Amino acid sequence: AQRVTQPEKLLSVFKGAPVELKCNYSYSGSPELFWYVQYSRQRLQLLLRHISRESIKGFTADLNKGETSFHLKKPFAQEEDSAMYYCALRDANSGYALNFGKGTSLLVTP
Amino acid sequence: GAGVSQSPRYKVTKRGQDVALRCDPISGHVSLYWYRQALGQGPEFLTYFNYEAQQDKSGLPNDRFSAERPEGSISTLTIQRTEQRDSAMYRCASSLTPQLAGGPPDTQYFGPGTRLTVL
Repeated sequence: AQRVTQPEKLLSVFKGAPVELKCNYSYSGSPELFWYVQYSRQRLQLLLRHISRESIKGFTADLNKGETSFHLKKPFAQEEDSAMYYCALRDANSGYALNFGKGTSLLVTP
Repeated sequence: GAGVSQSPRYKVTKRGQDVALRCDPISGHVSLYWYRQALGQGPEFLTYFNYEAQQDKSGLPNDRFSAERPEGSISTLTIQRTEQRDSAMYRCASSLTPQLAGGPPDTQYFGPGTRLTVL
């Protein structure tokens, strides 16, 4: 069975502070991990994926297989980063289904 | 271009009624997915189509739920004899290419969702 855990339901930081959204997974195989974001009144959208090794909107995420983690980080949070963030794991056995964590609501205050 | 669209955006129905939720994927997208998201939870996979073929319906909770995509484009998720526990956000997503086991993941583009409330 595979599972994605986001231990924080709500994370509040001040503008300019570093932010780390935690994601841990359990999966017996080579995981494919994603971060999705939902801004207020907008649809769920892909933020980044681990295979791309890219930085989007200043966010990065590194897959740590030893710790089975895929934490999302940004050195200096901005107010526009306030949103709901979901970590997701792709079921490589099926090739399509995304397994989502429960999400973390990030609030960046001035 | 237009993204994934879903209708209705909000649906309130009485327990026992049938509802049909529609998803219009991005033009040309082969794969279509349905997810359900209960309050305070992440989206949960329901079913998946490649073209018109339903590849996997293992996530459908019970036989009151069904989905179709007869022409390989628009899809309808139908819930018969709705119950209060069916209340949730129903999300549809599409991706350009067929998703195969072991193949590279294609980005899933989500629609705005349909908020279903069963009274």
